[in-house]
Amino acid sequence: ETGVTQSPTHLIKTRGQQVTLRCSSQSGHNTVSWYQQALGQGPQFIFQYYREEENGRGNFPPRFSGLQFPNYSSELNVNALELDDSALYLCASRTGQGIGDTEAFFGQGTRLTVV
Amino acid sequence: GNSVTQMEGPVTLSEEAFLTINCTYTATGYPSLFWYVQYPGEGLQLLLKATKADDKGSNKGFEATYRKETTSFHLEKGSVQVSDSAVYFCALSPRNAGNNRKLIWGLGTSLAVNP
Repeated sequence: ETGVTQSPTHLIKTRGQQVTLRCSSQSGHNTVSWYQQALGQGPQFIFQYYREEENGRGNFPPRFSGLQFPNYSSELNVNALELDDSALYLCASRTGQGIGDTEAFFGQGTRLTVV
Repeated sequence: GNSVTQMEGPVTLSEEAFLTINCTYTATGYPSLFWYVQYPGEGLQLLLKATKADDKGSNKGFEATYRKETTSFHLEKGSVQVSDSAVYFCALSPRNAGNNRKLIWGLGTSLAVNP
């Protein structure tokens, strides 16, 4: 049990809709990263938030956006859903900004299916 | 660019067999290297890491040595157990400013250990 919880665990959306995924960080962690893991693939970095500001982004279009709240929980929002957005979305929390600073703890993920 | 290549699975072994999962990388500079494990139904967990050349990461009987000359970080365990059945991911974090906030992942190697 890592202390990082994600909700919902599964959901199904229709192409063109919008979705919000949520992540509750482990206590004391001020950095959260989001990853997309397609079936049979490794995770792909979407973005990272540190103290409520985005401070790193991967190769994802602007319709992928996020928020981090004062309690360091986070949301991932995806607009205009496409079929290729179907994947497992992973949230990871840690302290510090650099990936080598402290261990990142991952949630169990949200399985999004777009039909 | 930065990338990670790891051996394809699935790998099937008998209990007490020797395990090697190969991982090679391409990166500018000297990245930090990681092995993560994903047990069935659980989130990703950091297994071990190494942050500079010739470092050896170890945990739970697993080991991996950061080999700069061969750009490799192979995972080994001398005697696997049924409980080691999981998917193993090799990952790197680039050192250059702006990129050290993300992990770049291999595709994962599924390991099944039979009693």
